[in-house]
Amino acid sequence: DIQMTQSPSSLSASVGDRVTITCRASQGISNYLAWYQQKPGKVPKLLIYAASTLQSGVPSRFSGSGSGTDFTLTISSLQPEDVATYYCQKYNSAPLTFGQGTRLEIK
Amino acid sequence: EVQLVESGGGLVQPGGSLRLSCAASGFTFSSYWMSWVRQAPGKGLEWVANIKQDGSEKYYVDSVKGRFTISRDNAKNSLYLQMNSLRAEDTAVYYCARENYVLHYWGQGTLVTVSS
Repeated sequence: DIQMTQSPSSLSASVGDRVTITCRASQGISNYLAWYQQKPGKVPKLLIYAASTLQSGVPSRFSGSGSGTDFTLTISSLQPEDVATYYCQKYNSAPLTFGQGTRLEIK
Repeated sequence: EVQLVESGGGLVQPGGSLRLSCAASGFTFSSYWMSWVRQAPGKGLEWVANIKQDGSEKYYVDSVKGRFTISRDNAKNSLYLQMNSLRAEDTAVYYCARENYVLHYWGQGTLVTVSS
């Protein structure tokens, strides 16, 4: 099975900073990659699919890129409400594996 | 409005069984793949299983194969997860989610605790 590895596992940044989270697949998955945001105590929320397509209603400061095995989630200007854990997920075929998550905090 | 409401969680002893249900509304249930995803306390998300619109295809994560069975009843707009031979490591919040390749909509989850 394909493994999904995120880095870093945790991240602390200041409001207004540009933040980048990476996700690597152990084999190529084309662009079948999604990003989810889970705020503390809340249900996960879809942010990005097809590696770079923003889900409706998601702020434009979020963006995604990549194809094949290497992907990134970027927040162009970190806001306090972005404190959350972020997960990547592959969906080209089952199992629909998630990365281990990246916990993002405000410095 | 899409709604997914899980039920059936609770405390069960190791080796026991539990059946989770997910009641769907606000969309044509029979048109979508559905998934179960779990999250152990303080841990990350783990996809558990999914099922095709007509139930003809089902897939599972290796750790639950042979113990868990996903099913659906399109007439009742309901998704199920039959969990047998439960282990302590199955303790988690279990979410049902609607698929359209990705997991667009999630329920609020139901907590399963496996402990003696």
